[in-house]
Amino acid sequence: EVQLVESGGGLVQPGGSLILSCAASGFTFDDYAMHWVRQLPGKGLEWVSAITWNSDTINYAASVKGRFTISRDNAKNSLYLQMNSLRPDDTALYYCVRYVAVVSLEYWGQGTLVTVSS
Amino acid sequence: DIQMTQSPSAMSASVGDRVTITCRASQGINYFLAWFQQKPGEVPKRLIYAASNLESGVPSRFSGSGSGTEFTLTISSLQPEDFATYFCLQHDSYPLTFGGGTRVEIK
Repeated sequence: EVQLVESGGGLVQPGGSLILSCAASGFTFDDYAMHWVRQLPGKGLEWVSAITWNSDTINYAASVKGRFTISRDNAKNSLYLQMNSLRPDDTALYYCVRYVAVVSLEYWGQGTLVTVSS
Repeated sequence: DIQMTQSPSAMSASVGDRVTITCRASQGINYFLAWFQQKPGEVPKRLIYAASNLESGVPSRFSGSGSGTEFTLTISSLQPEDFATYFCLQHDSYPLTFGGGTRVEIK
């Protein structure tokens, strides 16, 4: 069974940093591109970042480019999101999602909540 | 960036109604369009991929159509468990973009 378990969320002050992690199991992690998607409280979905299976191609939303860094460790079956210079509008539930071309976003974790507030 | 304009943003419907939700892309996205359903407190669930392909296990009352810039999700006969929010997603090019969502409420 495919499982994606996010961790690392919490309350952080504006300007602070957090590292989100996503532990993957139930599939061959390094066969898949992985994405981060966030959902603002009571709002819609926003794509954040993507990384290919071998990390050679990375993409970011304009709203996070230069502040967030996506990475992965295939030996540890893990995906990461380093978030710096956090702003109140980064407050959201962050999902780790497996991606397959053509079928798009497949499996979603349960999400980890990031709250940026003083 | 490709903008996805989803309509309506909310609607009220009755059990048994035919429901149609539309997403328009600001430029052509071929068939790289997926539809998701999300219920409160739950993770988004993919219903349709590649514009018109039904995800395994999804009831056949759901269908998707379209290509290029205009896409439609249709629920042929709305059931009580279908009251939820629906999102489209384009993944033709980065940044991936979602529609604003359609909340389907009970009339």
